[in-house]
Amino acid sequence: GQQLNQSPQSMFIQEGEDVSMNCTSSSIFNTWLWYKQEPGEGPVLLIALYKAGELTSNGRLTAQFGITRKDSFLNISASIPSDVGIYFCAGLTTSGTYKYIFGTGTRLKVLA
Amino acid sequence: DTGVSQDPRHKITKRGQNVTFRCDPISEHNRLYWYRQTLGQGPEFLTYFQNEAQLEKSRLLSDRFSAERPKGSFSTLEIQRTEQGDSAMYLCASIYYRGLAGVISPYNEQFFGPGTRLTVL
Repeated sequence: GQQLNQSPQSMFIQEGEDVSMNCTSSSIFNTWLWYKQEPGEGPVLLIALYKAGELTSNGRLTAQFGITRKDSFLNISASIPSDVGIYFCAGLTTSGTYKYIFGTGTRLKVLA
Repeated sequence: DTGVSQDPRHKITKRGQNVTFRCDPISEHNRLYWYRQTLGQGPEFLTYFQNEAQLEKSRLLSDRFSAERPKGSFSTLEIQRTEQGDSAMYLCASIYYRGLAGVISPYNEQFFGPGTRLTVL
């Protein structure tokens, strides 16, 4: 099935560092969602974005809806050990359908 | 807890057996989605319902797979004659869809259940 490109694929960072990851698509989306998933659990919604250029924060997390509507970015500031997990982006396409296409994921590991 | 629930959380079966999974969405949500997730990948769309109507099925959903949402509330996903390649996490998610207004915040927020981990031996 179709999946969006996320980068980096994985990253190790030191506690306290900031983290950036992005998601790109060849298609235009109306909504971008960012999720975090921990082993054996379903994805948990972190942030939702609805307009091109929109910047939205949730605590230490900030996400942006790209101007072209084909990409999105997630930043985590001052990372802590509990930020460990896999982060997924998802784009909502409403052209002839109404479904969410997910990225390949960014695996984050935080070194204390 | 008013979130999305799935049952069972884990299922181990032998190749060739049939299995059925259940999903209970958030109560006021009218759209329900099924996904499959394999190790190291993001969730892949399988199918979705608006109320009891199945609106779209992915090509990933072979003839051995069937999904229903008979009363527009809970949904079941059945896999017949399971194969080892069916081993995966099956995820259910729901949203409240409001038609044209659905493209406007915050009605596209999709919430997931904990998933059912299927292992086919």
